[in-house]
Parts: sequence; structure tokens; C-alpha cells
Amino acid sequence: AQTVTQSQPEMSVQEAETVTLSCTYDTSENNYYLFWYKQPPSRQMILVIRQEAYKQQNATENRFSVNFQKAAKSFSLKISDSQLGDTAMYFCAFMAGGSEKLVFGKGTKLTVNP
Amino acid sequence: DAGVIQSPRHEVTEMGQEVTLRCKPISGHNSLFWYRQTMMRGLELLIYFNNNVPIDDSGMPEDRFSAKMPNASFSTLKIQPSEPRDSAVYFCASMYQGAQYNEQFFGPGTRLTVL
Repeated sequence: AQTVTQSQPEMSVQEAETVTLSCTYDTSENNYYLFWYKQPPSRQMILVIRQEAYKQQNATENRFSVNFQKAAKSFSLKISDSQLGDTAMYFCAFMAGGSEKLVFGKGTKLTVNP
Repeated sequence: DAGVIQSPRHEVTEMGQEVTLRCKPISGHNSLFWYRQTMMRGLELLIYFNNNVPIDDSGMPEDRFSAKMPNASFSTLKIQPSEPRDSAVYFCASMYQGAQYNEQFFGPGTRLTVL
């Protein structure tokens, strides 16, 4: 069974600074997808960024980028120029290729301080 | 599109009562998922449907929980009888299986409190 581990329960960063959230996963699959979801206080789950395992290039979405290390089974999220609106829970998630099931990590609570 | 719609947004009930949570997926999506979120256990997949057929219900905690999808635009999650440990946020999500990107779209969730 796949597992996803987020080792940082809480993190904080100053506005405009850069922060990196860690995620590791365990799988025997070769084809899979990785996701970062954001859950602000409104509790709405919002997809931030996705990565296909067969792509070597790291995904980027505006201020959000990932560092995908397939051999190390690591998938960290970097948020540049942090904004107050980035304050939220961030969940790393895994989906095996050919499956529809998402496996989530426990989440990291990020606080952006003014 | 209005996104995934869930009702009610909040539900407070007493132990032993029946609770029904409702979900309307995004039009055109063919997969639907029910998740439960608690502080202790995080986000757990309870059950998911593909083309209205239950595919995997291994996450359903016990027989008190049941889910149905009578058509492509509606699903229910029922708890009968409810217990205080069922208190959680329940999310419904939908996805189009076969899309280039396997993205699940989440509803706003239903916060259930069982007294």
C-alpha cells in the first residue's frame, strides 16, 4: 500500500519570503501522479500543483514549484514570495497510475506572518 | 460550472439519529469520491464510484455507513445510527476518468457534529 508522509506538522514564514514543504512517499509503482492541495480556513480543498512521475521536469505554477526526486521518493513544494493568502493547510497526495484513489499525507499547517 | 455541490454545509444531530449527506458532482464527471477528514486520521477515502457503480468501499468504517449513487448527478452518504465518533468533515469530490490529468475536484464539505 502506498503511504505519504509529511514530516512538518507546522511551519511559518514571513511575507515575501520563500518556504519549502516536505513530502515523501512510498510505492512500488513506476507510473503515478503527485499532488499538492491547499486547504485554507474556509476548508475548501484546492489543487495547487501536480506532477506526473514520468516527467523529469519539475512542475511550476506561478509562485509554486516542486522539487520531484523520483529515486528518493521525495516531492517538496516551494512557495516563493509568500503572501498572507497562502496561510492554509497543505496536503501532499499520491495517485497510482490506472487508479483513481488519492492517498493523502497528514498535512502541514503553514502560517504566513506579516 | 458551479463545481461540486454538497448539502448541508453543517449538520448537528444527536447520537442515534440518521444522517444523510448529499453531493452533486460536476456535470460530465464519471467518478465520485466520499472522504472523511478528522484531526486524528486526516483525510480518508471512504468509497468511490465510477459510472454510478461502487468500485471500492474498503474505507467505509462499518455497516452504519452506506453510500448510493442512483444517477450521474447525485450521491448520498448515510450514517444510521450516528455516533459521536462520526463527527468530522465529509467531502465529496468528482473527477473525469480518462482526462489527461487525473484531478479530483472537491466540494466545500459538510461539517457533521454528533452530540
